[in-house]
Amino acid sequence: KAGVTQTPRYLIKTRGQQVTLSCSPISGHRSVSWYQQTPGQGLQFLFEYFSETQRNKGNFPGRFSGRQFSNSRSEMNVSTLELGDSALYLCASRREGADTQYFGPGTRLTVL
Amino acid sequence: AQSVTQPDIHITVSEGASLELRCNYSYGATPYLFWYVQSPGQGLQLLLKYFSGDTLVQGIKGFEAEFKRSQSSFNLRKPSVHWSDAAEYFCAVGPTSGGYNKLIFGAGTRLAVHP
Repeated sequence: KAGVTQTPRYLIKTRGQQVTLSCSPISGHRSVSWYQQTPGQGLQFLFEYFSETQRNKGNFPGRFSGRQFSNSRSEMNVSTLELGDSALYLCASRREGADTQYFGPGTRLTVL
Repeated sequence: AQSVTQPDIHITVSEGASLELRCNYSYGATPYLFWYVQSPGQGLQLLLKYFSGDTLVQGIKGFEAEFKRSQSSFNLRKPSVHWSDAAEYFCAVGPTSGGYNKLIFGAGTRLAVHP
């Protein structure tokens, strides 16, 4: 079974731009979560989507948003990029009712 | 406040030596506990998890962890480290009711292995 895939793997943007990251969960997994990983703040939960609805949300500004499609694929968008948004963005999927999340390889975003 | 503390930022061990990575948590109730490993440029791989029952849990790659409620700890151990174990290790906690995805992670412990 294919794992969680994330595209693109690397991105370079400039301040003020916006960016969209994509995540395809493991087949049959309907819950998708996003995490931000930075050297300073570590791993932080952004949000979770299930059945196209945001179910949980972390403490991030409204510039960070996401959505989920009917096929469970998810996208995450960051508007008005700031230097501090440079990070590894990890996506994780989970089968509903299960206790374990499976992580993708991440998208490395660099904001210049 | 909910938090996870991994006191050791870096640990270096010799190949074949034993390993213990420390994890302490602060949580309102007994949480779900996880250890993940991250190799350079990779995502997180689950090593093991604890929900209830036997407080000593076995994971993949020869790792085990022991839950100690009285100490709010969930330390990871391996009796004999291999060079391929060099990576960053993260302890995480999550709620026991819903919200499995909203994990709180520790800062991580970077493990180096000397030949």
